Amino acid sequence: QKEVEQDPGPLSVPEGAIVSLNCTYSNSAFQYFMWYRQYSRKGPELLMYTYSSGNKEDGRFTAQVDKSSKYISLFIRDSQPSDSATYLCAMNKGTGGFKTIFGAGTRLFVKA
Amino acid sequence: ETGVTQSPTHLIKTRGQQVTLRCSSQSGHNTVSWYQQALGQGPQFIFQYYREEENGRGNFPPRFSGLQFPNYSSELNVNALELDDSALYLCASSLWATSGSFHNEQFFGPGTRLTVL
Repeated sequence: QKEVEQDPGPLSVPEGAIVSLNCTYSNSAFQYFMWYRQYSRKGPELLMYTYSSGNKEDGRFTAQVDKSSKYISLFIRDSQPSDSATYLCAMNKGTGGFKTIFGAGTRLFVKA
Repeated sequence: ETGVTQSPTHLIKTRGQQVTLRCSSQSGHNTVSWYQQALGQGPQFIFQYYREEENGRGNFPPRFSGLQFPNYSSELNVNALELDDSALYLCASSLWATSGSFHNEQFFGPGTRLTVL
């Protein structure tokens, strides 16, 4: 079993839809949770960064962490064709070493 | 503010050869991590460098080695290349403050695509 599980998709939605992306994890020691966006043949771009449980909102993006369920989510409101990319969840324990574990990524297509 | 840069962009090598990839960290950052991303997979942590020393390593064999220089730039070296080493190699920089606190955000470069034939 992988430490971080993420549905690879692809997920196809119409423009303007609310998108929900999710990851589950097995290691209860993870404290820091990130979401990255990666366009084809580019490096990942940090979207959201959350410490421990709770919600964080930034513009059209909302990140949720439920440590009791070992489940994290990213919501994208009013999705745009430019949001079409692969979304990677990532997490680490926050101790020295920064050994960050990534999910496999979910491919999202937003149709105009 | 200068972002993370990597060179070269693409590289083709044959099995058994050696390769060196380079990374310049973002301005103000002192820590560099390297990741391997196979096609259709998420990045896998190779190792991290802080103060010119390896500071954490993932499940990669010793033929993967690295260096960090006083200006915080870094190199990834891979010896005895294998076909499975074909991947996108990503460098990420972050800040580990001397006060003991650290900033967990990592910023990635565009990557080097390595093909091993």
